[in-house]
Amino acid sequence: KAGVTQTPRYLIKTRGQQVTLSCSPISGHRSVSWYQQTPGQGLQFLFEYFSETQRNKGNFPGRFSGRQFSNSRSEMNVSTLELGDSALYLCASSLVGDPRDTQYFGPGTRLTVL
Amino acid sequence: AQRVTQPEKLLSVFKGAPVELKCNYSYSGSPELFWYVQYSRQRLQLLLRHISRESIKGFTADLNKGETSFHLKKPFAQEEDSAMYYCALSGSSNTGKLIFGQGTTLQVKP
Repeated sequence: KAGVTQTPRYLIKTRGQQVTLSCSPISGHRSVSWYQQTPGQGLQFLFEYFSETQRNKGNFPGRFSGRQFSNSRSEMNVSTLELGDSALYLCASSLVGDPRDTQYFGPGTRLTVL
Repeated sequence: AQRVTQPEKLLSVFKGAPVELKCNYSYSGSPELFWYVQYSRQRLQLLLRHISRESIKGFTADLNKGETSFHLKKPFAQEEDSAMYYCALSGSSNTGKLIFGQGTTLQVKP
């Protein structure tokens, strides 16, 4: 099976702009989770989608949003970018998002905000 | 509070020495515990999880609910074990959510 893919792999934006990141899960996986990874805060959960519905949300401002399509592909959007949004954004897919499910991670999108 | 603590940022050992990567957690309920590993220039991947009670690449981890720990152990370290290791927690109120520790870099010297 093909692994989780994320596009683009690298992005450079300026403050105030918005950005959309894409994630394609493993075929058959219906849950997609997003994480932000920074040197200072480590890996932090953003949100999780299942069957086009956000089921769980981390402690991030409303500028961070996402959605999931009927084919389970997911996008996350960050509006009004701030310097502190520079990070590696990881998505992970699992069968149904059960706590016992293994999450399979993509390679990440490296976002740099100037 | 739900939290995972990995007290060591860096653990450096010689090849053939035993390894123990520490992980302590705080969770009110029955957690699911995982160890994820990230080798250089590779994506984050599952190493093992406590419900499987298996040994992967010679690594084992036992969930100790009394001490709220899930330490990762290997009796004889190999150079190819050098990587970043993350302990992670999930639970019944956390669909699709993993709570990660800060990670420990394991460096195995020849």
